[in-house]
Amino acid sequence: SQKIEQNSEALNIQEGKTATLTCNYTNYSPAYLQWYRQDPGRGPVFLLLIRENEKEKRKERLKVTFDTTLKQSLFHITASQPADSATYLCALQYMDSSYKLIFGSGTRLLVRP
Amino acid sequence: TAGITQAPTSQILAAGRSMTLRCTQDMRHNAMYWYRQDLGLGLRLIHYSNTAGTTGKGEVPDGYSVSRANTDDFPLTLASAVPSQTSVYFCASRDPLGEQFFGPGTRLTVL
Repeated sequence: SQKIEQNSEALNIQEGKTATLTCNYTNYSPAYLQWYRQDPGRGPVFLLLIRENEKEKRKERLKVTFDTTLKQSLFHITASQPADSATYLCALQYMDSSYKLIFGSGTRLLVRP
Repeated sequence: TAGITQAPTSQILAAGRSMTLRCTQDMRHNAMYWYRQDLGLGLRLIHYSNTAGTTGKGEVPDGYSVSRANTDDFPLTLASAVPSQTSVYFCASRDPLGEQFFGPGTRLTVL
């Protein structure tokens, strides 16, 4: 079965630095890869979607890369702010009958002021 | 717009009792999903529905059932709750571009 690995240890960085989170997966590549943000006690919120034929996608201070050879996605937050502190979830989406998402367990990001 | 609403916010349930978790969306999305989230395991899909009148099993469907009588509502029922069903439950809908919208969750404790 598909396995998704995200760093379970929290990433602790200084405000203003770039945060880089990693998502690795096994087996076959998904059609889409998505990133979500989750704050404590709340549901996940969609951030970015990247397709398998796209190498990079940007949205404001966010950048996602997708390397199907390495089976890896990197999620970057530039000029990080304390408000960016949250758990970030990677999710794979396959074009089967359900279009369901398979989620990683997430990486917690802490941005120190 | 409200997006996805879930009820109740939290519940303590005795083992063996039944319960229905409610989920309603106002975005007219065809696809809806139920996930459970447990510490260290991430979100796991329980059941899904691609459109009103159809449902499908996800990764962890045992002990749960769903129905989809109309586009807006997607209730999740636990027929006879067990302690291993203690979790946070999230309902979600999917837009045509693939983005999923999540509700605020229901925290369920089965004793």
